[in-house]
Amino acid sequence: AQSVTQLGSHVSVSEGALVLLRCNYSSSVPPYLFWYVQYPNQGLQLLLKYTTGATLVKGINGFEAEFKKSETSFHLTKPSAHMSDAAEYFCALSKGSARQLTFGSGTQLTVLP
Amino acid sequence: DAGVIQSPRHEVTEMGQEVTLRCKPISGHDYLFWYRQTMMRGLELLIYFNNNVPIDDSGMPEDRFSAKMPNASFSTLKIQPSEPRDSAVYFCASSRGQGVEAFFGQGTRLTVV
Repeated sequence: AQSVTQLGSHVSVSEGALVLLRCNYSSSVPPYLFWYVQYPNQGLQLLLKYTTGATLVKGINGFEAEFKKSETSFHLTKPSAHMSDAAEYFCALSKGSARQLTFGSGTQLTVLP
Repeated sequence: DAGVIQSPRHEVTEMGQEVTLRCKPISGHDYLFWYRQTMMRGLELLIYFNNNVPIDDSGMPEDRFSAKMPNASFSTLKIQPSEPRDSAVYFCASSRGQGVEAFFGQGTRLTVV
């Protein structure tokens, strides 16, 4: 069975500091991995995705993530946090022919001035 | 494109009443997904369709829940009768072919009192 674990339900960083949101996965087949962001009262917006090929993927708003098969991880990073990055972030894994998503429990990111 | 459109955005209903949530997927997308988001269970897949045909409804919690997709541009999720524990945000998402990116609507926040 596939699963996604996000370490830390709440993360706080200062504006300008490094953002690191952790995601580990379990999958019996090569996974497709995603990070989505959810702003208050909004739907989910795709930040970035890994399917095949280059293991370091870049997304929108300066975020990037690295697929590490040996560590079964797909951590999300951003060199310098901005106040507008405050939101909830979800790591997800897709499986099956339809690529339906299995989500982690989410990490609430707070950016302190 | 206008994206995935869900209606209503907010719904408050009394226990025992029928509730119908609506979704218009992105034109040309042939997969449609219904997800539910709660504090306790996070984001979970309820059902998905391919070419208007329900493929996997194993996530539908009870027989009180039903979903239809009468054509490529419209889907409904119905709860009858509704219960307070059905209170959640319901998201509709769509994707194209074996496409790996699902686009989400803004969700319907359902409150059953």
